[in-house]
Amino acid sequence: QITLKESGPTLVKPTQTLTLTCTFSGFSLTTTGVGVGWIRQPPGKALEWLGIIYWNGDNRYSTSLKSRLTITMDTSKNQVVLTVTNVDPLDTGTYFCAHRPAPYYTLDYWGQGTLVTVSS
Amino acid sequence: QSALTQPASVSEYPGQSITISCTGTASDVGGYNYVSWYQQHPGKAPKLMIYDVTKRPSGVSNRFSASKSGNTASLTISGLQAEDEADYYCSSYTISDTSNWVFGGGTKLTVL
Repeated sequence: QITLKESGPTLVKPTQTLTLTCTFSGFSLTTTGVGVGWIRQPPGKALEWLGIIYWNGDNRYSTSLKSRLTITMDTSKNQVVLTVTNVDPLDTGTYFCAHRPAPYYTLDYWGQGTLVTVSS
Repeated sequence: QSALTQPASVSEYPGQSITISCTGTASDVGGYNYVSWYQQHPGKAPKLMIYDVTKRPSGVSNRFSASKSGNTASLTISGLQAEDEADYYCSSYTISDTSNWVFGGGTKLTVL
């Protein structure tokens, strides 16, 4: 059974760095083709793709946010970490991590999401 | 990054069928058979309903079907039930964004 869970701060001040952790179970991020993606959703708005890390360490980031995003993985801990630098109130929203099954371009299991508010 | 275009809202009566469209370009929906559809109830995580344009994951009702024509993908829900009321998002592989992934703007389905 695949599960994912996001964790991190609920409140971050503008200009600070946001770090979120996705802890997963039921799959290995060393399996060829597997990935873990990050998606966010501002309150009342649509899903927004942020980026993904693949089994081989390759990253793909959203064009509009790539200068501020970093995704890393710790396969020994079954964790993926998202870092967003220089946050702004527009970064407020629920952040989800999700499992990408090989070899498909889809996300079949999602975490419950974690709400992050950027405010001074 | 340009989101795929979906109608903001649709509505229909229980028992009827409804189709939600998702329009992209040849760089995403039209160029690849990697369209997915997700259902999201308020306060919940999205749930995968369709992948690879037409495939249903195990456990998803066969009332949900999907197709693609040119740059537009479509999700059809037949025999609408109250529990189908939710937001629906399409996504696709894309070569127009460095992430290679893009979502639609979402469609709010109301079951009247």
